[in-house]
Amino acid sequence: QKEVEQDPGPLSVPEGAIVSLNCTYSNSAFQYFMWYRQYSRKGPELLMYTYSSGNKEDGRFTAQVDKSSKYISLFIRDSQPSDSATYLCAMSYTGRRALTFGSGTRLQVQP
Amino acid sequence: KAGVTQTPRYLIKTRGQQVTLSCSPISGHRSVSWYQQTPGQGLQFLFEYFSETQRNKGNFPGRFSGRQFSNSRSEMNVSTLELGDSALYLCASQTTGGGAGYQETQYFGPGTRLLVL
Repeated sequence: QKEVEQDPGPLSVPEGAIVSLNCTYSNSAFQYFMWYRQYSRKGPELLMYTYSSGNKEDGRFTAQVDKSSKYISLFIRDSQPSDSATYLCAMSYTGRRALTFGSGTRLQVQP
Repeated sequence: KAGVTQTPRYLIKTRGQQVTLSCSPISGHRSVSWYQQTPGQGLQFLFEYFSETQRNKGNFPGRFSGRQFSNSRSEMNVSTLELGDSALYLCASQTTGGGAGYQETQYFGPGTRLLVL
């Protein structure tokens, strides 16, 4: 079983929809949680960073971490065609010095 | 501030050859990590360097090696290339690499796409 599980999609939504992306994990040591966006043939771009449990909002993006359930989410409000990309969750803990990634969810926002 | 740069961007090699990839981290970042990304396995951690020392290594064979220079620039080398080494190789940099308030957040370069024929 992988340490981090993520539904690969693809997920197709109409423009303006609210998108929900999720990851589950098994290692309770994870403390740092990130969401990256990766466009085709590009490197991952950091979108959101969260430490421990709670919510964090940045513009149209909201990240949630529920450590008791080992579940993290990324919500995208008012989705745009330019949001079409692969979204990767990643996590780590102090001293690990490496990120463990989910497999990525491919999102398509239809105009 | 300039981002992480990687050279070359694309590379074609044949089985048995070796390859060296280069990474320049964000100015002021002293930690450099390398990842391999393939459609089947996703993003997998290769190794991490800080102050010219390898601090962490992923589960890859010894054909994969790296080093870091005093200016924080890093190189990774793959010897005796196999078809399965075809992948996007990503370099990521982060700030101090430890200490109070440290964030395990990494910033990625565009990657080097390696094709092994």
